[in-house]
Amino acid sequence: GEDVEQSLFLSVREGDSSVINCTYTDSSSTYLYWYKQEPGAGLQLLTYIFSNMDMKQDQRLTVLLNKKDKHLSLRIADTQTGDSAIYFCAESIGGATNKLIFGTGTLLAVQP
Amino acid sequence: DGGITQSPKYLFRKEGQNVTLSCEQNLNHDAMYWYRQDPGQGLRLIYYSQIVNDFQKGDIAEGYSVSREKKESFPLTVTSAQKNPTAFYLCASSITSGGYTGELFFGEGSRLTVL
Repeated sequence: GEDVEQSLFLSVREGDSSVINCTYTDSSSTYLYWYKQEPGAGLQLLTYIFSNMDMKQDQRLTVLLNKKDKHLSLRIADTQTGDSAIYFCAESIGGATNKLIFGTGTLLAVQP
Repeated sequence: DGGITQSPKYLFRKEGQNVTLSCEQNLNHDAMYWYRQDPGQGLRLIYYSQIVNDFQKGDIAEGYSVSREKKESFPLTVTSAQKNPTAFYLCASSITSGGYTGELFFGEGSRLTVL
């Protein structure tokens, strides 16, 4: 069945780069997403990548997609304390409905 | 400003009581969704609706019910049949056509605690 996996926790120092990894199972996914959740709040879309791309860059964010290995990563350059949050990877499972399958989320802790 | 409003933000209830969580959007989105979030388990889909007067079960619909009488509103009832209702509930909406990218817009969530 559909499954999206992420490591649960990542700790980095302020100014370093962070890399959050995700593996997914549905090879027919059209889009893959990264969402950010701050404490006690809803999720906000950070970025997404279309499945026929292998890289997307948006300011400090770089998304890499390896379709062969079904691996997605999010790199945050020059990580700041304000980047501390839970990051969710999600895949669209296609069809007529917009159903997203979310990963377990990775808690990013940025140390000053 | 356009957005999704969930209420209440915090809710406490005794076991055996039904509770209803409100979700209202003014984004003119056709589709609306309810997710449940538990620590270490990510988000799991409870119910979704692509159009008024129609809705579908998600992966964990047992013990929940919804209605979609208006485009703007998608309330979720947590019934006494839900065995472990304490969780953080998130409502979301999306467009379904015309520049569709699958992006979901989320509310701020409702935290339900059953005592």
